[in-house]
Amino acid sequence: EAGVAQSPRYKIIEKRQSVAFWCNPISGHATLYWYQQILGQGPKLLIQFQNNGVVDDSQLPKDRFSAERLKGVDSTLKIQPAKLEDSAVYLCASSLDSTGTYEQYFGPGTRLTVT
Amino acid sequence: DQQVKQNSPSLSVQEGRISILNCDYTNSMFDYFLWYKKYPAEGPTFLISISSIKDKNEDGRFTVFLNKSAKHLSLHIVPSQPGDSAVYFCAATPFTGTASKLTFGTGTRLQVTL
Repeated sequence: EAGVAQSPRYKIIEKRQSVAFWCNPISGHATLYWYQQILGQGPKLLIQFQNNGVVDDSQLPKDRFSAERLKGVDSTLKIQPAKLEDSAVYLCASSLDSTGTYEQYFGPGTRLTVT
Repeated sequence: DQQVKQNSPSLSVQEGRISILNCDYTNSMFDYFLWYKKYPAEGPTFLISISSIKDKNEDGRFTVFLNKSAKHLSLHIVPSQPGDSAVYFCAATPFTGTASKLTFGTGTRLQVTL
């Protein structure tokens, strides 16, 4: 079974530029998550989709961050314009949503450096 | 407000000995707890979990203990191996029926020495 795919793996941009990240979840996983992991911290949830609907985006800085999940499969996360404090690893995860199981499966992440 | 805390940023253990990683939480709504392991340049990998209706769950060399009254859980690795060297994250979620809402701790870096 293929895992969660993310691209690009690394991105360096200047502040005020825009950037987009792509995620392909595990086949059949209804729920998709985007996390931000700043160095030295644990992953922090930005947005959660169930199929193509948003379940939770309470921690997404909506003035600069946006995300979509078209057709309930792939997802993109965009930052426009980027700030220095957006430097982090952006992780995508997906889950099967069977009752009683709460495991999320993570992709390798995209390391963003904003200069 | 750090709802899941891992107070030890790092731990060094000799190969063959027991590694004990600790995690504390403050939110009484949390009912399900997970441990993830992360190698450099990779995403976190699920390791083991425990429901609040249990106080122990075992999977091979890995055992998780939950003390709900103390809001404390621990991960025991016996015996520790060099390949266990990684960052370990504790995570917690309330029972939501299906999809989880994980809150992560800050991680503990485990180094297993020869």
